Amino acid sequence: DIVMTQSPDSLAVSLGERATINCKSSRSVLYSSNNKNYLAWYQQKPGQPPKLLIYWASTRESGVPDRFSGSGSGTDFTLTISSLQAADVAVYYCQQYYATPWTFGQGTKVEMK
Amino acid sequence: EVQLVQSGAEVKKPGESLKISCKASGYNFADYWIGWVRQMPGKGLEWMGIIYPGDSDTRYSPSFQGQVTISADKSINTAYLQWSSLQASDTAMYFCARPQEYNLPFDYWGQGTLVTVSS
Repeated sequence: DIVMTQSPDSLAVSLGERATINCKSSRSVLYSSNNKNYLAWYQQKPGQPPKLLIYWASTRESGVPDRFSGSGSGTDFTLTISSLQAADVAVYYCQQYYATPWTFGQGTKVEMK
Repeated sequence: EVQLVQSGAEVKKPGESLKISCKASGYNFADYWIGWVRQMPGKGLEWMGIIYPGDSDTRYSPSFQGQVTISADKSINTAYLQWSSLQASDTAMYFCARPQEYNLPFDYWGQGTLVTVSS
C-alpha cells in the first residue's frame, strides 16, 4: 500500500491568515505517461461526508473558492488556504488514487486561533 | 443531480450479519464505479473497496478483503456493503462514494451509515 503522511496533525490559524498542510506519499504518485499526480484533497466538517476540493494535485473542483490551492509533485504535496475563513475550520485529508487501495492521509485538523 | 442515499443507522450484536445500502440516482448507475469508505469514531478515512456495477468487477483493500463483501444490483441502482459476522471493531460510519472515472477521486458522497456493534 502507498502510505500517505500528513503534517501537522493540527494547526491553529488566525482569521485571514495562511494555512499550509503537507502530505507525503511513500512512493511517487506521478504517472509518467500523462504527467499527472494522482493526488486529491478533501475537506470534512463534523457530521458531514468529505468534500472533494482538489484533484490532480492542483485542479480545484468546481465551486471551490480560489483561496484553496494545491501544489507539489511526485511524493510531496501541499494544500494552502491563502486567507482562512471561519467556514474553513475542518479536517483536511489527502488521498492518492494512483494505485489501489486508494489510501488517505491521517488528516489535519484546522482550527481558528 | 447525482445523489447517493444510504440506509439508516444500525445497532447490532457481535456475531450478527448486516447489509447496508447506497441507492444512486441522477446518473447511469451501471457506468460508474462506486466505493466504500470507513471512518471509525474520531478517526480518519479508510478506503475499503470499489465496484463497477456494470460487470460487478470489485477491488478490495487488503485490510478489508475477506472481512466484508461489496456488491451491486444495477436493476435497482443500489450498492451494498455486508458483513457475515460483525465485531465490535466494525463500529464506524460507512460512506459510499462515486468517482467520475476509475482513476479519479470521489466527487459524490452518500450521507453515511452509522453501524454500532455492541453486546
